[in-house]
Amino acid sequence: QVQLVESGGGVVQPGRSLRLSCAASEFTLSDYAMHWVRQAPGKGLEWVAVLSYDGDNKDYADSVKGRFTISRDNSDNSLYLQMNSLRAEDTAVYFCARDPSVTSYWYFDLWGRGTLVTVSS
Amino acid sequence: DIQLTQSPTSLSASVGDRITIACRASQTIGSHLNWYQQKPGEAPKLLVYAANRLQTGVPSRFGGSGSGTDFTLTISSLQPEDLATYYCQQSYILVTFGQGTRLEIK
Repeated sequence: QVQLVESGGGVVQPGRSLRLSCAASEFTLSDYAMHWVRQAPGKGLEWVAVLSYDGDNKDYADSVKGRFTISRDNSDNSLYLQMNSLRAEDTAVYFCARDPSVTSYWYFDLWGRGTLVTVSS
Repeated sequence: DIQLTQSPTSLSASVGDRITIACRASQTIGSHLNWYQQKPGEAPKLLVYAANRLQTGVPSRFGGSGSGTDFTLTISSLQPEDLATYYCQQSYILVTFGQGTRLEIK
């Protein structure tokens, strides 16, 4: 079954780090651009980061730039989000999402179910 | 940053109604506009991409239109399973989402 499965969420203290994973099944992750999108409890969607299909280009929302790093491991077909210097406002469900566009029309045709990150002392 | 403003923020309609949700961008974005449906407790689902292209498998009662700064998602005949929050998303400059429109069924 074609799917994305996130893991690695949990409760973490402010200032600490956490690494999220997103495992892809039945398709090759490196054939697609991949994104992380988050949703704070009861709130709307917020885009976090993108990794181009070739792995050469990354970009981030201003709210996480310099603290979060998106990466990929082709050998285990997984996407990662390294989150450092976490803040209370980073508390959210984090989704990974597949982007099939080959142009600048970024859109997300496959989403995982998400993993919850709670930043609290 | 490009801001997206959806209207209305909430909507109550009856089964069979035709409903429209608007999304206005703070600057022109061509047709770099997509629509998603998110049901409670679920991940978002892509409905329409590039302003008016229906995603494979999405019922034909859903449709998108617009270009530049003004866009619309239309449901031609509302069904009970359409209870959800709907988001627009632009990709002209990075990515931003609208604040969402909550759709309730009367």
